[in-house]
Amino acid sequence: AQSVTQPDIHITVSEGASLELRCNYSYGATPYLFWYVQSPGQGLQLLLKYFSGDTLVQGIKGFEAEFKRSQSSFNLRKPSVHWSDAAEYFCAVVPSGGSYIPTFGRGTSLIVHP
Amino acid sequence: ETGVTQSPTHLIKTRGQQVTLRCSSQSGHNTVSWYQQALGQGPQFIFQYYREEENGRGNFPPRFSGLQFPNYSSELNVNALELDDSALYLCASSLGDNIQYFGAGTRLSVL
Repeated sequence: AQSVTQPDIHITVSEGASLELRCNYSYGATPYLFWYVQSPGQGLQLLLKYFSGDTLVQGIKGFEAEFKRSQSSFNLRKPSVHWSDAAEYFCAVVPSGGSYIPTFGRGTSLIVHP
Repeated sequence: ETGVTQSPTHLIKTRGQQVTLRCSSQSGHNTVSWYQQALGQGPQFIFQYYREEENGRGNFPPRFSGLQFPNYSSELNVNALELDDSALYLCASSLGDNIQYFGAGTRLSVL
């Protein structure tokens, strides 16, 4: 069975600092990979996705993620964090081909200090 | 173009009762998925409907059931509510391309 690990429950950064949120997955083949953001009281918003091709993926709000097959990772990055980026971030994997059954990580809470 | 809307926003039930949650898909989307998100956890996939047929199911008991209507709106029904069913229930719609658009969710409290 596939699994997703987000090892950091909370991350605190200063506004303007760079950010990297970690995501590791366990799956037999390369899955489809996603990052979502959830603000308090809201649903999830898709930041970016990887299906195939270029391993560096650009998303909305200045976020990017890099797929590293050798490390089974899909880390999310942003060069300069804004206070409005404070939210919960979720990594998700979906098997490539076959029935759609996604697996989400438990999330990383991002705290931004002024 | 309207987004995904869910109703009600909040709901309080007692143990043993039944509940129905509703979801209107984004315009043109033929696929809807339901998730349960417990406090401090990531969403857990309940099931997906594609053109009114169940298209995948997660590890949830049969008392969790669903429907998708011809207009692609959907319902999630939970029978014999348990305290652990307290959670945020999220609906997401898509056009079958794995890119999902989420509603704001229904917060269910079971007392």
